[in-house]
Amino acid sequence: EAQVTQNPRYLITVTGKKLTVTCSQNMNHEYMSWYRQDPGLGLRQIYYSMNVEVTDKGDVPEGYKVSRKEKRNFPLILESPSPNQTSLYFCATKSSYNSPLHFGNGTRLTVT
Amino acid sequence: AQSVTQPDIHITVSEGASLELRCNYSYGATPYLFWYVQSPGQGLQLLLKYFSGDTLVQGIKGFEAEFKRSQSSFNLRKPSVHWSDAAEYFCAVGARAGNNRKLIWGLGTSLAVNP
Repeated sequence: EAQVTQNPRYLITVTGKKLTVTCSQNMNHEYMSWYRQDPGLGLRQIYYSMNVEVTDKGDVPEGYKVSRKEKRNFPLILESPSPNQTSLYFCATKSSYNSPLHFGNGTRLTVT
Repeated sequence: AQSVTQPDIHITVSEGASLELRCNYSYGATPYLFWYVQSPGQGLQLLLKYFSGDTLVQGIKGFEAEFKRSQSSFNLRKPSVHWSDAAEYFCAVGARAGNNRKLIWGLGTSLAVNP
């Protein structure tokens, strides 16, 4: 079954404590991306990756890092989380330029 | 500027009633249009997409949408709503951004279904 798997599903942490949210896909897609979803602001793209070792900033990259060392994984790293990064995060992938996105089930992050 | 507007923040319908969710977009080129649904605690699932051709597209779960270029609209419809359709619905347009086809999202319409 085609899947985008995010872990953890829920995470509560404190300001400044580095964390990583993992994302893995089994569809052999080259394209992967991260979004955050906030009430009233909708979905906003954080970073995307067109292929292994190729990443680019989205609309709201500040405070985030990503890496793409292998095709299936695209972790999101918050080196020093702050309360304004409290959000619902989604990883997504697609097979080609015009294809629709397949989303993971989300990671609810709370930073206190 | 490129944008997607979903005019209705929240809609309540009775089970069995028909449904129409509105979506208007602003995009200079030929749009690639999508509708996604998000159930509580879940990720977003693609309902349907329009790239070209027939302007009435069929999707999953009995949904359909009609692309009207003259009105810059891509409204989602369902003839008879089921209680399980209660969810958040998002319209998006695929915009060219360099080497990336980026999605521009509406803010969503929350659908409640009365028994």
